[in-house]
Amino acid sequence: QTVVTQEPSVTVSPGGTVTLTCASSTGTVTDGNYANWLQQKPGQAPRALIYSTTNRHSWTPARISGSLLGGKATLTLSGVQPEDEAEYYCLLYYGRLQPWVFGGGTKLTVL
Amino acid sequence: EVQLVESGGGLVQPGGSLRLSCEVSGFTLGSYWMHWVRQPPGKGLVWVSRINSDGSSTSYADSVKGRFTISRDNAKNTLYLQMNSLRAEDTAVYYCGRLDVPCGGDCWGQGTLVTVSS
Repeated sequence: QTVVTQEPSVTVSPGGTVTLTCASSTGTVTDGNYANWLQQKPGQAPRALIYSTTNRHSWTPARISGSLLGGKATLTLSGVQPEDEAEYYCLLYYGRLQPWVFGGGTKLTVL
Repeated sequence: EVQLVESGGGLVQPGGSLRLSCEVSGFTLGSYWMHWVRQPPGKGLVWVSRINSDGSSTSYADSVKGRFTISRDNAKNTLYLQMNSLRAEDTAVYYCGRLDVPCGGDCWGQGTLVTVSS
């Protein structure tokens, strides 16, 4: 059973920078895991932010970026704004038979 | 405008069946692999199933394998999830959508709630 691990909660000050991480129980996260990041606010559907590790969707602001660092997938938010307060989920790809596994989500608080 | 609209959710008894639908507009369904994910009340997102562009290949999470069937009708711009032998732990909001592609609009629908309870 593959497990994807995220920080349960992170707090950041307005205007600050924060990096959320996404680790795999199978080892190093690579480009072949095609990390996706989704944002979800209370009572709303998830909204995709990043696909294939680093690619922004057309609505994703440039201050939000995805990368690989230290064996993990990361999501960095710069110049954090109050509206960034949300739950952030990463999703990793593991192959044809059971392709995708979500992390447990990180609750980002802007305070 | 890209839209994905799920329907078919509701209250069902344990052991019962439901079929969810996801009608899309604003993009060509047949050009994309499609996914279902779910979210139990108060919990995180869970990937459920995916189907390739022409419906010839499917995959499932272990928790639903053998009970759920994903399918699609590209001519009707509709994705389906047939759910049989439902259990209380299948209670969740079910979302349809696209993964790991530029969506040119919404990637995910607004969801439909499935409640399995006696």
